Amino acid sequence: EDKVVQSPLSLVVHEGDTVTLNCSYEVTNFRSLLWYKQEKKAPTFLFMLTSSGIEKKSGRLSSILDKKELSSILNITATQTGDSAIYLCAVEATSGTYKYIFGTGTRLKVLA
Amino acid sequence: EAQVTQNPRYLITVTGKKLTVTCSQNMNHEYMSWYRQDPGLGLRQIYYSMNVEVTDKGDVPEGYKVSRKEKRNFPLILESPSPNQTSLYFCASSLRAYNSPLHFGNGTRLTVT
Repeated sequence: EDKVVQSPLSLVVHEGDTVTLNCSYEVTNFRSLLWYKQEKKAPTFLFMLTSSGIEKKSGRLSSILDKKELSSILNITATQTGDSAIYLCAVEATSGTYKYIFGTGTRLKVLA
Repeated sequence: EAQVTQNPRYLITVTGKKLTVTCSQNMNHEYMSWYRQDPGLGLRQIYYSMNVEVTDKGDVPEGYKVSRKEKRNFPLILESPSPNQTSLYFCASSLRAYNSPLHFGNGTRLTVT
C-alpha cells in the first residue's frame, strides 16, 4: 500500500530558529514529491521535486529529495511567526491511476 | 486572477438530503480532483478527472459522485449524506495529471447531522 509519513507531527520553535521537516514515502512508480503550506484554508504550493530536480530553494525555504532513501526534507531558516502552519508532503504515484498521496502533515508553531 | 473556486464554504445539512459542492477553475487545467481532510488522516483523494468526461475513483469514493461535463467544472455530489461524511473538502486542479502542482480551492466545511 502506498504511504507517505511525515515527522515530526508537531514542532514549536522560536523566531530565528532553523527547522527541518521530514517526509518519507513508499509508493509504486514514483513521479514527484511536492511540499505545501497550509494555514487557515487552502494548501499553497511550495516546491515540486522530481528525478531531474532534486533540490529547490526559495528564500528561506529549501528542499531536497533523496531518491535512494525515499525521503525528502524541507528546511526553513531564520523562522518567522508567519511560517506557523501545517506543512504537507505529497507524492505523485502512477500505479495505474494518477494520484497524489498526502502525509498527515507537520504542524509548525513559531513563537515570537 | 487564476483560481479554483468552491462553493459553498460552509454547509450544514441533515442525513439523506442530497447536496452538491461546486468547483470551478479558470486556468484551463486538464486535471481536477476532490479531497477530504480529516484530523489524523490527512488529505485523502475521493475522485479525480483527467479531462472532460474522464473520471476515476480515488482512495475513498464511497458515497460520492462526480461529473466532468465541461473542462472548468467538477462538482462533487453526495446523493445521501451521512454523518461520517462530515469533513473539510478541497477541490484541486493542475495543468496536467503528472509532474504538475495542484492548485487548491479554499475548502468546504461540511457538517452532516
